[in-house]
Amino acid sequence: QKEVEQNSGPLSVPEGAIASLNCTYSDRGSQSFFWYRQYSGKSPELIMSIYSNGDKEDGRFTAQLNKASQYVSLLIRDSQPSDSATYLCAVANAGGTSYGKLTFGQGTILTVHP
Amino acid sequence: DVKVTQSSRYLVKRTGEKVFLECVQDMDHENMFWYRQDPGLGLRLIYFSYDVKMKEKGDIPEGYSVSREKKERFSLILESASTNQTSMYLCASSWVGRQGLRGYTFGSGTRLTVV
Repeated sequence: QKEVEQNSGPLSVPEGAIASLNCTYSDRGSQSFFWYRQYSGKSPELIMSIYSNGDKEDGRFTAQLNKASQYVSLLIRDSQPSDSATYLCAVANAGGTSYGKLTFGQGTILTVHP
Repeated sequence: DVKVTQSSRYLVKRTGEKVFLECVQDMDHENMFWYRQDPGLGLRLIYFSYDVKMKEKGDIPEGYSVSREKKERFSLILESASTNQTSMYLCASSWVGRQGLRGYTFGSGTRLTVV
């Protein structure tokens, strides 16, 4: 089983819709959770971080974390064509000797069509 | 904002050359990382460092080495470049607070082509 798994894409949504991106992780000791957006040919850009159970909202983005279910998600409301990118879920267990390494999912390609 | 700077955006090298990729961060982060990213394979960790002169192998260290002589600078070295090392190379830095990992930021990447 992969350590971080994301829902297989690509995901296509119409402009203005809600895009839902999902991620599960296997390490119960994970403490920090991140969503990155990566445009083609560019480096990943951090868009959301979440550390405790529940929802965290930032503009059109909402991250949801459920540690009991080992599940983290990203909702994008009012999706825009500029949101079209690959979204990477990343998880960290900062304890022990992990030195804050991030484990990444394979990414989900999102396309928002006008 | 944290800035992670990679010295070259694009690089073309010949097979067998020794290649240096440089990364500098300006936020006094303890941890620095080198990844490569290839289509269909995602981000793969090559090496990381949690302190000056300290280094740890990641998932794919073969053919690479690293150097961290100063806290802000982390260099990736391809001892003898090969065509299968053609890839996008990404540097990142982070710090760990009491509540967990913080500040994981990537540089803009170096696209290396080995011919």
